[in-house]
Amino acid sequence: EAGVTQSPTHLIKTRGQQATLRCSPISGHTSVYWYQQALGLGLQFLLWYDEGEERNRGNFPPRFSGRQFPNYSSELNVNALELEDSALYLCASSPTAGGEFFGPGTRLTVL
Amino acid sequence: GIQVEQSPPDLILQEGANSTLRCNFSDSVNNLQWFHQNPWGQLINLFYIPSGTKQNGRLSATTVATERYSLLYISSSQTTDSGVYFCAVRSGSARQLTFGSGTQLTVLP
Repeated sequence: EAGVTQSPTHLIKTRGQQATLRCSPISGHTSVYWYQQALGLGLQFLLWYDEGEERNRGNFPPRFSGRQFPNYSSELNVNALELEDSALYLCASSPTAGGEFFGPGTRLTVL
Repeated sequence: GIQVEQSPPDLILQEGANSTLRCNFSDSVNNLQWFHQNPWGQLINLFYIPSGTKQNGRLSATTVATERYSLLYISSSQTTDSGVYFCAVRSGSARQLTFGSGTQLTVLP
């Protein structure tokens, strides 16, 4: 069974640009979660999507947004990039009940 | 929101030694997971253990939900066990995980 996949592995952008990160969940999992791991700040919850709807978001500004497609894959968009957005972005999926399984992450660098 | 505290923050061991990592949480939980973050950043699932005891090879975990803590045991540690170990919980109606700050484990040859 394939795990959670994310693309790209690395992404380099400049301040003010937009970044798009992608995630494909484990087959059969309908929930997708996004987390940010910035240096020194630990793992912070960003967004939760389930059945195509945004169900909850963490304490992040509106320029962090995303969507979930009919096949349950998901995109995270970060607009007007700032230097402090540089981080590892992790996507996870879960079944209706049970634990979360994480992808390998996308490392975003903002110059 | 729920608070998750892990101890110790750093742990250095010689290969072959045993260790115990602790996770305390401030409220009742309906999910508790232990992860190992590898050097490339991926979170590897170790245990899904909202209560009880589980074992997987040299690793075992125990969660005492009524006392709001979980323990991860690593026996006969190997250099490949090095990395950061995270405890994460799900509480109440929230579906997302809240992570502790992690324990940085270094196993020396």
